[in-house]
Amino acid sequence: QKEVEQDPGPLSVPEGAIVSLNCTYSNSAFQYFMWYRQYSRKGPELLMYTYSSGNKEDGRFTAQVDKSSKYISLFIRDSQPSDSAPYLCAMSDGGKLIFGQGTELSVKP
Amino acid sequence: SAVISQKPSRDICQRGTSLTIQCQVDSQVTMMFWYRQQPGQSLTLIATANQGSEATYESGFVIDKFPISRPNLTFSTLTVSNMSPEDSSIYLCSVEDRGQAGASTEQYFGPGTRLTVT
Repeated sequence: QKEVEQDPGPLSVPEGAIVSLNCTYSNSAFQYFMWYRQYSRKGPELLMYTYSSGNKEDGRFTAQVDKSSKYISLFIRDSQPSDSAPYLCAMSDGGKLIFGQGTELSVKP
Repeated sequence: SAVISQKPSRDICQRGTSLTIQCQVDSQVTMMFWYRQQPGQSLTLIATANQGSEATYESGFVIDKFPISRPNLTFSTLTVSNMSPEDSSIYLCSVEDRGQAGASTEQYFGPGTRLTVT
């Protein structure tokens, strides 16, 4: 079993839809949770960073962490075609980052 | 957030040769990391490079194959030695931003080096 599980998709939604991306994990020591977006031929771009449980909002993006269920989510409101990219979750216990496989998101005009 | 540049952005190399990838950061950072991203895959940590000490390698990666230098707090190099087609991948450096309180573990990535070995 992988430490971090993420559905690779692809996930296709119409423009304006609310997108929900999710990861599950097995290591209860993880405390730091991140979401990255990686456009083609670019390095991963940090979108959201959350420490421990709870919600964090930044513009159209909301990150949720449920440590009791070992489950994290990224919500994107009013999705745009420019949001189309792979999204990777990552987490750590203060040491090295462990990445999910990434979910390919496609937002159709 | 830190601004990170890498050189070269891409290269095509012959089997058996070596390539050194450079990573430059616009601010001083303690922790620098090197990752590999194989086609269609997620990121795998190769090693952690701390200034003034030997790099720490992850399981499956060895210093003879991936020697790393970290001469100062803004620069690091990764060499891919005696390359084979299996080394074709994107190589990424990243830095950890501890923030003012020293507690943040946000990591920022460079643009990557796309390596093709023929």
